[in-house]
Amino acid sequence: DQQVKQNSPSLSVQEGRISILNCDYTNSMFDYFLWYKKYPAEGPTFLISISSIKDKNEDGRFTVFLNKSAKHLSLHIVPSQPGDSAVYFCAASRIATYKYIFGTGTRLKVLA
Amino acid sequence: DADVTQTPRNRITKTGKRIMLECSQTKGHDRMYWYRQDPGLGLRLIYYSFDVKDINKGEISDGYSVSRQAQAKFSLSLESAIPNQTALYFCATSVGGAGVNYGYTFGSGTRLTVV
Repeated sequence: DQQVKQNSPSLSVQEGRISILNCDYTNSMFDYFLWYKKYPAEGPTFLISISSIKDKNEDGRFTVFLNKSAKHLSLHIVPSQPGDSAVYFCAASRIATYKYIFGTGTRLKVLA
Repeated sequence: DADVTQTPRNRITKTGKRIMLECSQTKGHDRMYWYRQDPGLGLRLIYYSFDVKDINKGEISDGYSVSRQAQAKFSLSLESAIPNQTALYFCATSVGGAGVNYGYTFGSGTRLTVV
């Protein structure tokens, strides 16, 4: 049973446009969410997080939105750059468990 | 030097062989984890440890064992490797505390192939 789902395995976007990556979860007890970015031959690196007390968190070009009623979060990248081409994983956890459940990843390709 | 170092980076082994993947960290984090990544399945938790005397099974621990030799070292063993353990393995660390929940710092991964 996949508790965290990323239903789009891949996404292509033109440079300068917005990239929107989506993530759905099933466990209403999750209260902390992160996005990781992974380049080939490297480990995932932390990108941005959001706790369930917020519905938006912004860091430069990256914004994460959380819709708790829909159990849905999304990552917006504006403007998209070729260097953003990577696999993006969303992850969810319950505070104090320190264990994250990961989605299957979305491969983003930003076209120059 | 990387904060989280995994060795080896790549390994090919034969079915039935015992193999150990090693992870060491300089972050000073007390929590360490082993995940495996498979195409279409994301990252799945194998084992985790919150301190040297604490070992916990994750969602896919069958066929694996771990050892937390020190705060900075956490190794993963495959007692008798089988082909469906072919995957990319990641070690991760995190810092903890009451009411605090931070993300992980990952190593660069070990690509294991069992033939």
